[in-house]
Amino acid sequence: DQQVKQNSPSLSVQEGRISILNCDYTNSMFDYFLWYKKYPAEGPTFLISISSIKDKNEDGRFTVFLNKSAKHLSLHIVPSQPGDSAVYFCAASGGSNYKLTFGKGTLLTVNP
Amino acid sequence: NAGVMQNPRHLVRRRGQEARLRCSPMKGHSHVYWYRQLPEEGLKFMVYLQKENIIDESGMPKERFSAEFPKEGPSILRIQQVVRGDSAAYFCASSPKEGAVGYTFGSGTRLTVV
Repeated sequence: DQQVKQNSPSLSVQEGRISILNCDYTNSMFDYFLWYKKYPAEGPTFLISISSIKDKNEDGRFTVFLNKSAKHLSLHIVPSQPGDSAVYFCAASGGSNYKLTFGKGTLLTVNP
Repeated sequence: NAGVMQNPRHLVRRRGQEARLRCSPMKGHSHVYWYRQLPEEGLKFMVYLQKENIIDESGMPKERFSAEFPKEGPSILRIQQVVRGDSAAYFCASSPKEGAVGYTFGSGTRLTVV
């Protein structure tokens, strides 16, 4: 039972364009959402988060949007850079604030 | 200021052997979390520990797996009598207080069972 779904295993964009990574969830108890970036042979690195009381959070080139009614969130990266090429994981927590449920990840490739 | 240190980075074990994975949290962090990533999957929560206490082990397989975080020294994830299905990347995270917001992950231990 996948409670957090990232339906696109991979995404390829041109440098300078916008990257949009999507994530859907099924558990209504989730109230906090996070995005992590992961390079090969490294651990996940926290990127940006959003609480369920908000619908948008922005940090530099990264913006996360949350649509609670659709149980959908997205991560926008603009402009995309080759160094952004990595696997991006969507994660959610609810109930217990320490336990994260991860999606399977989306491999983003930014082409120069 | 070292991050979360996990060792070994790679571990090869034959079926039936024991695997010990170590995690030293960041300085000042007393909360440790272990996650497992199977091939082509996302990370899955295994266990949450504070010093000398297991807080939540709901994600741990019922048999062969155990975890500890002693008063002194690193946290240890122990897998007895390993099987091929235990092959995965095991990540440890630490935080200064309870909660996922302050998580910092280590680079992981890649366990291969042959």
